Parts: sequence; C-alpha cells; structure tokens
Amino acid sequence: DQQVKQNSPSLSVQEGRISILNCDYTNSMFDYFLWYKKYPAEGPTFLISISSIKDKNEDGRFTVFLNKSAKHLSLHIVPSQPGDSAVYFCAASGTKAAGNKLTFGGGTRVLVKP
Amino acid sequence: ETGVTQTPRHLVMGMTNKKSLKCEQHLGHNAMYWYKQSAKKPLELMFVYNFKEQTENNSVPSRFSPECPNSSHLFLHLHTLQPEDSALYLCASSQEWGYSNQPQHFGDGTRLSIL
Repeated sequence: DQQVKQNSPSLSVQEGRISILNCDYTNSMFDYFLWYKKYPAEGPTFLISISSIKDKNEDGRFTVFLNKSAKHLSLHIVPSQPGDSAVYFCAASGTKAAGNKLTFGGGTRVLVKP
Repeated sequence: ETGVTQTPRHLVMGMTNKKSLKCEQHLGHNAMYWYKQSAKKPLELMFVYNFKEQTENNSVPSRFSPECPNSSHLFLHLHTLQPEDSALYLCASSQEWGYSNQPQHFGDGTRLSIL
C-alpha cells in the first residue's frame, strides 16, 4: 500500500502561470518531506524540502506547503518556465528510530507551454 | 553535472548472465543507496550502506548482491535475473544515513533489460 501518493500523473500549465503539485501521505511518523525533479535520461535532483515543524518553505520560485493535519503537501512553482517541464517526485522520511528511508510518490509530469 | 556517476547507462542481459552495476560518488558522502524504478511504479529503496556497512536490505531477492568496498563506490552484482527485474536502477548518496534533512543525490541510473 502506497504511503506517499501523487494523485495527478500529469499537469499542463501556461508559461508564467502557477504550477501546483499535490502530494498526500498516510504515515504519521514521517517528519521530513522533499521534492525532487527529474528530466528524461537523468536522475532525480533535489529541489526543496520541509520539516514537519514548519508549514511553509520558500526558495526562489518554489514554495512547499505542509498541512500536517490533512497529511498533505503541495509544491508551488511561480512563475512557471518551460525549463520546469519535468517529472516531480514527492518523498517523505521518518525519524531515525522509525526508519528514515525515503518513500517516494509516483510522480507528476509537468508540461509548461510557452 | 552529477556528483554521482553510474555505469553502464544501459545494460541488456540474458537470465543466465552475471553482470555488475557500478556507482561512484565524488561528494565526500558516507551513505550510498540502490533504488529500483519499474515502469509505472514509484522509486523503491533496495539497499543502504553507511560508512561501508549495510544498514538496510528492503527484502531484496538474493539474485541482487550489493558490495560497498569504500564510501565512494557501490556495486550491484546481478545473476540469474528474471524478466520482471527489467527496470531503471538508481544509485544515490547522502552525507550520512539516518538524517532526514540531508538530501540524497542521485546518479543518472542504469537502464537494465532482461531478455
């Protein structure tokens, strides 16, 4: 049973507009959340992360929001650029005691149209 | 340019062959990982090594045999694989296992096809 889910397999957005990617999780032991970006024929690259003690983290055009009560996080990209077209993976990690391996969602493919 | 290098990038092998995947990281990290990504499935952790010691084996079949001779190198030895083992195999590294706030850095993967 998937503990981290990205329910939208794909997203299409116009250049300059906002991209919103969503991620849901079921394990309340997760305490750290990360977003990775993947281009074709390349490995995932780390994008942004958030600790469970925060509800927002911002880095340039990228902002991650965490709603612990809903077990939901989202990634906002604004403004979206054609170079943002990629697959985005949400990942979650527990504490060391809980086994802090990364659990990944299935990914959301984003296409930014010029 | 990635600090984690995987070779080969593509591998086609028969079920009776023996081959090895290689991973090298140039980031000074102490933890290294093997992941498997099958078609239409999320990335799955296979093995974790921390300071050359295996700390995690995620119920991986014995036909996959990892080896970590030092903190910079990680191998995945393959023998008598099955067609369902065809997948993208990704290597990653991080500063140290056990710290959630240390992102893992991935290589570009080896695309493995079993005939």
